[in-house]
Amino acid sequence: DIQMTQSPSSVSASVGDRVTITCRASQGIRNLLAWYQQKPGKAPNLLINVASSLQSGVPSRFSGSGSGTDFTLTISSLQPEDFATYYCQQTDSFPRTFGQGTTVEI
Amino acid sequence: QITLKESGPTLVKPTQTLTLTCTVSGFSLSTGGVSVGWIRQPPGKALEWLSVIYWDDDKLYSPSLRTRLSITKDTSRNQVVLTMTNMNPVDTGTYYCAHSSLGVDAFDVWGQGTTVVVSS
Repeated sequence: DIQMTQSPSSVSASVGDRVTITCRASQGIRNLLAWYQQKPGKAPNLLINVASSLQSGVPSRFSGSGSGTDFTLTISSLQPEDFATYYCQQTDSFPRTFGQGTTVEI
Repeated sequence: QITLKESGPTLVKPTQTLTLTCTVSGFSLSTGGVSVGWIRQPPGKALEWLSVIYWDDDKLYSPSLRTRLSITKDTSRNQVVLTMTNMNPVDTGTYYCAHSSLGVDAFDVWGQGTTVVVSS
């Protein structure tokens, strides 16, 4: 299985801050990485696919980059509704493993 | 509009078999490229990918749970069924089904999830 490691596990930030979350794959996965946002008690929501492609309806303050083994999710200016947990998932091979999550908190 | 909804028992006893149903709408399970997957999440923990079934009935499972899982689909009823045998308290959590398609591969639409507690 490909192991996905996110860092940090949690980050404290304020509205307006720039936040960067890192996801590292245990082996190369090309650009086959997705990012999800999950709020408490809700299902995850797909934000970004194939490393940098923003899903329709997702605010442009979210961006993704990376290829191979190292990826980042950046929120350029944190908004109150962005406080949530973020997961990366590799879609290169099966099983489609997720990272352990990064919680963005106030 | 694509929607998915999970259903099944809330409480299961240890060693029992869990059967979960995902009822979909807004797409056909026989449309080329479509797949439906199952993902679970223990309380306060990360997401875990379990299984996926494709439009052509191809099926894949998590290697760590392969011997306990079975996934099937009923295209006429728009349902995907996941069974998990020999349930254990560590299997407690929220179980989600989600849609993906070739070219997207990530899960772009999720069900609301169903909570399963394994306890005697």
